[in-house]
Amino acid sequence: DIQMTQSPSSLSASVGDRVTITCRASRGINNYLAWYQQKPGKAPKLLIYAASTLRSGVPSRFSGSGSGTDFTLTISSLQPEDVAIYYCQKYNSVPWTFGQGTKVEIK
Amino acid sequence: EVHLVESGGGLVQPGGSLRLSCAASGFTFSSYAMSWVRQTPGKGLEWVSVISGSGNTTYYADSVKGRFTISRDNSKSTLSLQMNSLRAEDTAIYYCAKTRKTIYSGSDHWGQGILVTVSS
Repeated sequence: DIQMTQSPSSLSASVGDRVTITCRASRGINNYLAWYQQKPGKAPKLLIYAASTLRSGVPSRFSGSGSGTDFTLTISSLQPEDVAIYYCQKYNSVPWTFGQGTKVEIK
Repeated sequence: EVHLVESGGGLVQPGGSLRLSCAASGFTFSSYAMSWVRQTPGKGLEWVSVISGSGNTTYYADSVKGRFTISRDNSKSTLSLQMNSLRAEDTAIYYCAKTRKTIYSGSDHWGQGILVTVSS
């Protein structure tokens, strides 16, 4: 099975900072990658699919890039409401696999 | 607006059974693959199972294969997960999720989740 490895596992940044989270697949997955945001006590919310397509309604400060095995989620200007855990997920084949998550906090 | 509402969770003894349901509305249910994803309290997300829009194709995580059965009733816009031979490690919040279209398209809407606790 393809494994998804996220880094870092947590980060703390100031409001307005640029934040980057990486996700690496153990084998190529083309662009079959999604990013989700999960706030405490809530269900995950889709932010980006197909590695770089921003879901309608998601703020433009979120962006995704990558293809094959290496992917990134970038928040261009961190806002207080972005405090959450972020997960990547590959869906090119079953089993779907999620990364272990990156906890984003405000410094 | 898409709505997904899970029901059927609760406390069950090891070896017992439970059936989860997910009532869907706000979209043409039969046109979309649906899935179950679970999350152990305080831990990450684990995919459990997925079913095609027609219901003809199903896949399971190795951890639940042979014990769980996913199904759907397109006439009632309802997704189900029959869970048998439950183990302590099945304790989790179970989410019903709608895919963007096919099994290979990611999940764009999630229910609020339902807690399943397996304990004696």
